Amino acid sequence: DAKTTQPNSMESNEEEPVHLPCNHSTISGTDYIHWYRQLPSQGPEYVIHGLTSNVNNRMASLAIAEDRKSSTLILHRATLRDAAVYYCIPTNYGGSQGNLIFGKGTKLSVKP
Amino acid sequence: ETGVTQSPTHLIKTRGQQVTLRCSSQSGHNTVSWYQQALGQGPQFIFQYYREEENGRGNFPPRFSGLQFPNYSSELNVNALELDDSALYLCASSPVPGQGGELFFGEGSRLTVL
Repeated sequence: DAKTTQPNSMESNEEEPVHLPCNHSTISGTDYIHWYRQLPSQGPEYVIHGLTSNVNNRMASLAIAEDRKSSTLILHRATLRDAAVYYCIPTNYGGSQGNLIFGKGTKLSVKP
Repeated sequence: ETGVTQSPTHLIKTRGQQVTLRCSSQSGHNTVSWYQQALGQGPQFIFQYYREEENGRGNFPPRFSGLQFPNYSSELNVNALELDDSALYLCASSPVPGQGGELFFGEGSRLTVL
């Protein structure tokens, strides 16, 4: 299983962009990169995932390095509701899909 | 709202007792996973069920067991409770294993063992 390294915490101002980095240097060629977030007192929530190309959805963008050893989750305009713990999770669909290996994630604080 | 519901939301047990936690999967999802989340840590995978059969297990002892029913609802049973079992227990559902995509999590059941 690929190991991940994320900052313990980050701070942002409301309505500013946020770049959340993740290092996954031992990722295998078939692992997708998933991002989940967990708001206070809630279960984790899917944010985005990708394999090689950059991805965009209504919540965020995912920028994947060319060598796939790192990725960055981009929140284009942070809101107070984006304050959460963000988890970067390499996932191999060939295995048990439900087996996501969560690290400690990055706790994002958003200041008004 | 994800459509995954868990019960009870909170409960308190004493060491040595047994507990059953319940999960109702999102409509159309036939795969359910259970996770344990200790305070300040990320969730840890306990096991997954697909079509009523265990289909993957994490590093948890046999006193953690589960069931999945024909309507895809699920139970997590923990016997001989220990103090370290105090945690948030999360249920997640997904359409089909190995197909990729996202897991949908419930809000969890918070268990306190005294």
